[in-house]
Parts: sequence; structure tokens; C-alpha cells
Amino acid sequence: NIVMTQSPKSMSISVGDRVTMNCKASQNVGNNIAWYQQKPGQSPKLLIYYASNRYTGVPDRFTGGGYGTDFTLTINSVQAEDAAFYYCQRIYNSPWTFGGGTKLELK
Amino acid sequence: QVQLKESGPGLVQPSQTLSLTCTVSGFSLTSNSVSWVRQPPGKGLEWMGAIWSGGSTDYNSALKSRLSISRDTSKSQVFLKMNSLQTEDTAIYFCTRGTPFAYWGQGTLVTVSS
Repeated sequence: NIVMTQSPKSMSISVGDRVTMNCKASQNVGNNIAWYQQKPGQSPKLLIYYASNRYTGVPDRFTGGGYGTDFTLTINSVQAEDAAFYYCQRIYNSPWTFGGGTKLELK
Repeated sequence: QVQLKESGPGLVQPSQTLSLTCTVSGFSLTSNSVSWVRQPPGKGLEWMGAIWSGGSTDYNSALKSRLSISRDTSKSQVFLKMNSLQTEDTAIYFCTRGTPFAYWGQGTLVTVSS
């Protein structure tokens, strides 16, 4: 089975900063990656699909990139409401494995 | 609009079987897959399995021996049954639509405890 590894596990940044988090697949998954944001007590929300496509209504400060085994989620000019957990997921072909998540905290 | 809602017992005893229902609206189960995802308290997301639009199923290999997903299209409901529950199965259980998962239910907390 494909393993999705996210790094770092947590990060603390300031409002207005730019942040990049990583997701590494143990095998080539092409562009079949999605990113989700989850805040405490809420269901996850889809941000990015097929590696770089922003989902409806997602602010353009969120950008996804990568192909094959290495993927990134970048947030430009982080806002206070971006404090959350972020998960990558292999999509299209099952199993639809999730990464372990990255916790984004605001200083 | 698309909606999914999980329901089931909040408490299950160890070694017993968990039965959950996902009731959907705003879309057809014969045109969309539905997955189950769980999240232990304070931990990450785990895809459990899915039922495809044609009715076939796919399971996480780690859960396959204990898990069954089925549906009743006439009632727009998807069912999860998982046996031999242990305390580590305590989690919030979500149902979601399609892939990627653009639509999620609110989740239901299941506690495994005697």
C-alpha cells in the first residue's frame, strides 16, 4: 500500500507569513493528490485536488504543487483563520490513503 | 444541496459489532461512491472503505477482515458494520461522497467501552 508522509508535523508562524508544507508518497501517484483543512470540531474541507486545482471558494492564497511522489501546499500571507490541521490524501485510485497531517499554529 | 448525515450508537462494548448509517440527500447513490473515514480523538484521518456507484466495495486492507459496507439505494442510505471492536476503534466516524472528498457528514463519535 502507498504511504503518505507529511512534514513537518507542526509549524508555528505569524500572520502574513508564507508557509509551505510537504507530502511525500511512497510510490508515484501522478497528480492524484488532494489537500484538506480541518479545524477543531469540524469536518475536513477540501482545498486542493489533482495536486494543483483549487476547489470552489478556496482563497487563492492556497496553492498546491508537485507531481509523482513529492507535493506541497503553500499558503501565501497566512491569515488567523488558517490555523488548522492540513492533510494530504491520495485520490482517484484506492486505497485513498491520508497523510498524518500538519498542524499549523499562529504565533 | 448535497448532504450526508451519520447516525448510530454513541457507545459500543468491546468485542461487539458497530453499525452506522449514512443518510444522504441531494445526490444518487447509483451515480456516486460513498466512503467511510474515521478519526480517533486527537489523531489523523483514516480511510476505511467505500461503496461504488455500481454497488461493489473496496476496503482498507488493515480493516478488511472486520468491515462491511452496504447500501439501500431506495432509502439513500449507506451502512457500515465493523465487528470485534476494541478501545482503539473509538473515533469520530464520517461518511463522504466521491473522490476527492468535497462533501462530508458532520461525523458521529463512537466510544468503545464497557
